[in-house]
Amino acid sequence: ETGVTQSPTHLIKTRGQQVTLRCSSQSGHNTVSWYQQALGQGPQFIFQYYREEENGRGNFPPRFSGLQFPNYSSELNVNALELDDSALYLCASSSTHSGGYTFGSGTRLTVV
Amino acid sequence: QKEVEQDPGPLSVPEGAIVSLNCTYSNSAFQYFMWYRQYSRKGPELLMYTYSSGNKEDGRFTAQVDKSSKYISLFIRDSQPSDSATYLCAMSVNNYGQNFVFGPGTRLSVLP
Repeated sequence: ETGVTQSPTHLIKTRGQQVTLRCSSQSGHNTVSWYQQALGQGPQFIFQYYREEENGRGNFPPRFSGLQFPNYSSELNVNALELDDSALYLCASSSTHSGGYTFGSGTRLTVV
Repeated sequence: QKEVEQDPGPLSVPEGAIVSLNCTYSNSAFQYFMWYRQYSRKGPELLMYTYSSGNKEDGRFTAQVDKSSKYISLFIRDSQPSDSATYLCAMSVNNYGQNFVFGPGTRLSVLP
């Protein structure tokens, strides 16, 4: 299977709840990053995982956490959801030998 | 001042026109420059990836980087209605991911 796949495509959560978003990396890619894209804005870097270790983080609070699994798939967890967390969450993967990322189609999260 | 600035548009052009999209940035440490295209309800798709100053051409697309002016451009020749999308510039300090900084995107409409 090629490409980056994300699930679910949409979900609605209530303020204060927790959410887990999932990403399956492109075959051969061992680096995965997560981005948050608010409406009308460019994506903002949340964090990156390489070989199951977080090796870079943007300006996001600790309630945003992640995991990368041995098969290079990944999860983004967000605790204590806030209304401002409503956004498109993008997963992107790359190999250490390539430039640029391959992005998935994202998960649209709405917090009400 | 934001780290990466981009005119949000919208930009409307007739089919066949040459389109010029631009970004300016403030961080002189950026070495790698990318252009992504994002269709509605989709993740960003990598169009061009360049390192350092100069031009790079790929089909109808030409990416230009002027590091002395901290200015990058994407030119689209013979624009088509299928080019209608949001175009995001992105840049990074290193070549292995970690915190790509995106501009807010320019919405382009190519009218038939």
